[in-house]
Amino acid sequence: DAKTTQPTSMDCAEGRAANLPCNHSTISGNEYVYWYRQIHSQGPQYIIHGLKNNETNEMASLIITEDRKSSTLILPHATLRDTAVYYCIVRDTSTGGGNKLTFGTGTQLKVEL
Amino acid sequence: DGGITQSPKYLFRKEGQNVTLSCEQNLNHDAMYWYRQDPGQGLRLIYYSQIVNDFQKGDIAEGYSVSREKKESFPLTVTSAQKNPTAFYLCASSPRTHTGELFFGEGSRLTVL
Repeated sequence: DAKTTQPTSMDCAEGRAANLPCNHSTISGNEYVYWYRQIHSQGPQYIIHGLKNNETNEMASLIITEDRKSSTLILPHATLRDTAVYYCIVRDTSTGGGNKLTFGTGTQLKVEL
Repeated sequence: DGGITQSPKYLFRKEGQNVTLSCEQNLNHDAMYWYRQDPGQGLRLIYYSQIVNDFQKGDIAEGYSVSREKKESFPLTVTSAQKNPTAFYLCASSPRTHTGELFFGEGSRLTVL
């Protein structure tokens, strides 16, 4: 699986958009980009995933660059409850191991008043 | 409600004792996973199972054992051979299809005294 690089921490004002970057310059054609978040002392929660096109759901938007070497998770109106560690994961889930995902250290997002 | 239940939430044991952590899911998922998380670190895969009566080692299987006798259950035993067992343990499940979407339990925090 391709390696990902994320900033260690970020701050965001409540009500503003939180833009979390992820670099995955060695991503291959079949690898998807997944985003999860983990609120302190809870299990991680799936947010969104994508392959090439931008994706949006009720939680967030995922913007993938045209060369697929980086992506940005956007929380359009961050709230205090969005304070969490956000993980960017790259994986070709069609290969052996199924949905076996590797979680790095992620980005600690702190949303403040 | 459908979901994953881990028990106990907190567990204290003396050094040298085996400990079994329970993980039950009613999502009808084929695959189940065990991860370990240490403070300030990402998640590391211990074992995973894609189907009943079959399981594979993850990245840090030494000192752990699992069984998958039923689709709904995937217990993890932390044996006395695990040199540093104090950690936060997370169980997850996913459909057999390769969606990359994992559903996590709330975790079990094991402290070895």
